[in-house]
Amino acid sequence: GQSLEQPSEVTAVEGAIVQINCTYQTSGFYGLSWYQQHDGGAPTFLSYNGLDGLEETGRFSSFLSRSDSYGYLLLQELQMKDSASYFCAVRAHSGNTPLVFGKGTRLSVIA
Amino acid sequence: EAGVAQSPRYKIIEKRQSVAFWCNPISGHATLYWYQQILGQGPKLLIQFQNNGVVDDSQLPKDRFSAERLKGVDSTLKIQPAKLEDSAVYLCASSRGQGANYGYTFGSGTRLTVV
Repeated sequence: GQSLEQPSEVTAVEGAIVQINCTYQTSGFYGLSWYQQHDGGAPTFLSYNGLDGLEETGRFSSFLSRSDSYGYLLLQELQMKDSASYFCAVRAHSGNTPLVFGKGTRLSVIA
Repeated sequence: EAGVAQSPRYKIIEKRQSVAFWCNPISGHATLYWYQQILGQGPKLLIQFQNNGVVDDSQLPKDRFSAERLKGVDSTLKIQPAKLEDSAVYLCASSRGQGANYGYTFGSGTRLTVV
């Protein structure tokens, strides 16, 4: 089976930087993805890491270390609208298998 | 491009009743997924379709849940009979392909309350 661990809640100040960690245990590994979900909304795709290293997309970056079974999502210049839940997700058995999601990290951005 | 359409947006039913949800994926997206999201948790896969064929339904409670995608486009998920623990948001997602780097586009979901 697969399991993903991420903190349940994080609070950060507007304008600051926050890192949301994700560790995973899978029988195989075919990439780590991150999704954002606002309350009552649909999850939206943020990033994908198939190889080790950092991927940057605007204010958001995502990192993967396959040897450590670990990744993180980095949000810079936090804005109030970044308050949402963030989910890491993996594909385990092959590149074609569906995503398995973590339980999510609820980020609260405060003034 | 138009997003993933789902209906209804909300549904309240009594336990033991039946309910159906509808999803129309993004045009051209061959892969369609139904996920169940219980409040405070991450989405959990129910079923994956590739065109009109089932790829993975290993986590679908087949004694009460069924899903179809007859023409390889829109899809219907049914629950019969519903239980209290089925109260959740049912999310439909589609992707252009099955490859690991393909992101999912989710619909807004159907919030089901079973009373």
